[in-house]
This record gives sequence, C-alpha cells and structure tokens, in this order.
Amino acid sequence: GESVGLHLPTLSVQEGDNSIINCAYSNSASDYFIWYKQESGKGPQFIIDIRSNMDKRQGQRVTVLLNKTVKHLSLQIAATQPGDSAVYFCAESHILTGGGNKLTFGTGTQLKVEL
Amino acid sequence: ETGVTQTPRHLVMGMTNKKSLKCEQHLGHNAMYWYKQSAKKPLELMFVYSLEERVENNSVPSRFSPECPNSSHLFLHLHTLQPEDSALYLCASSQTEVETQYFGPGTRLLVL
Repeated sequence: GESVGLHLPTLSVQEGDNSIINCAYSNSASDYFIWYKQESGKGPQFIIDIRSNMDKRQGQRVTVLLNKTVKHLSLQIAATQPGDSAVYFCAESHILTGGGNKLTFGTGTQLKVEL
Repeated sequence: ETGVTQTPRHLVMGMTNKKSLKCEQHLGHNAMYWYKQSAKKPLELMFVYSLEERVENNSVPSRFSPECPNSSHLFLHLHTLQPEDSALYLCASSQTEVETQYFGPGTRLLVL
C-alpha cells in the first residue's frame, strides 16, 4: 500500500548551517512528490516539487533529491535561517480518475533553528 | 499570503449545532479539496471536487457534508459532530492537470 513517512520528528540546527530533512515512501509507482512548509497557525505552503524522472531539483536555497532505488526523498535547506523554523511535510501525489489528485502526507518534521 | 481564503478561522461548536466552513480560491483553479489535520497525525484527505463534481469521498462520516456551488467556492457543512472531530480543517485548490495544491490557512474547530 502507499504510505509516506519521515525519519525524524524533530530536527534542530544552528542558524547558518544546512538542514536535511528526509522522507521515505513505499509506493514505487509514485510519480510526483511535493515538499510543504507549515508555520504555526498557517496552512501548508508549497516549497518545491519533483517528478520521478528527475533525481534532483533546485530552488532558492532549497534542493530536493529523489532516490527511486530506495524510495527516499530529502529536502536540503542551505544557510538555514530563523524564518525556516516550521514543520516540513513531504507528500506523494496520485491523479484521480475524475480529475484532481490525491496527496498522501507524512507526519512531518519539526525544524527548529537555534540562534 | 496564498490565494485561498477560509472562514471562519476559529470555530467552537456543541455536538448538536450545525455550522458551515467556507473556502474561496482566487487562483482560477478548477479542483478543490478538504483536508483534516489532527495533532500528531498526517493530513487526511476528505473530499475532492473537480469541475464542481465530487470525485473523491475518503470514507468520511455523513456528519460532514461538502458543497461546491462553483469552481471558486467550497463549503463543508457540519452537524452533530463529535469531540474527536476537533481539528484544523484545510481547504486547497489546484488545476486538474497540475498536481500542485495550494492551501488556505485553515479553520481551527473545537467540538465541545
């Protein structure tokens, strides 16, 4: 069955260091993955996505790596800032027959940035 | 701020009350979604509407009743809820051919 899980519930990093948040998925047929950031009192915010035909995708200060062999995703945040403190979720997407898509989320990793 | 708004932001209701949650998207999308987010649990998909037709009901109890009158608006009608229904209810929208979903800020619901 499909499931998405995260390796660590909490990650603490020093300001300026790089952060790496990991995610495992179980459905080898999954084709599209998204990382979201959720700050306290807000809804999830899109960060970056990647399709299964790619191994790596870069955004502004963020990089997502996809290892299809071991069904593993990671989100790398460069030069972590206090504003990066949030819960980070990975999600895998499946297209629905009638339109739209279903996102299956992991439980999330709380990133804490220490000054 | 995202182009998806939700009202109210906070709601307290008794188990015998009837209330409605509202979601509006200003992104020109044609698919809308309801999710439930409980403490220490993954976001759970509840309902999916595509082109104003319901295409997914993820085994949600009938005390939750969705309505999508047009592609910009989505409602979640609530009646005779239970305390375990207390959670953050999130609305999202997307273009049907694009899988990225954009979320609203959520409605924090407390059922007493």
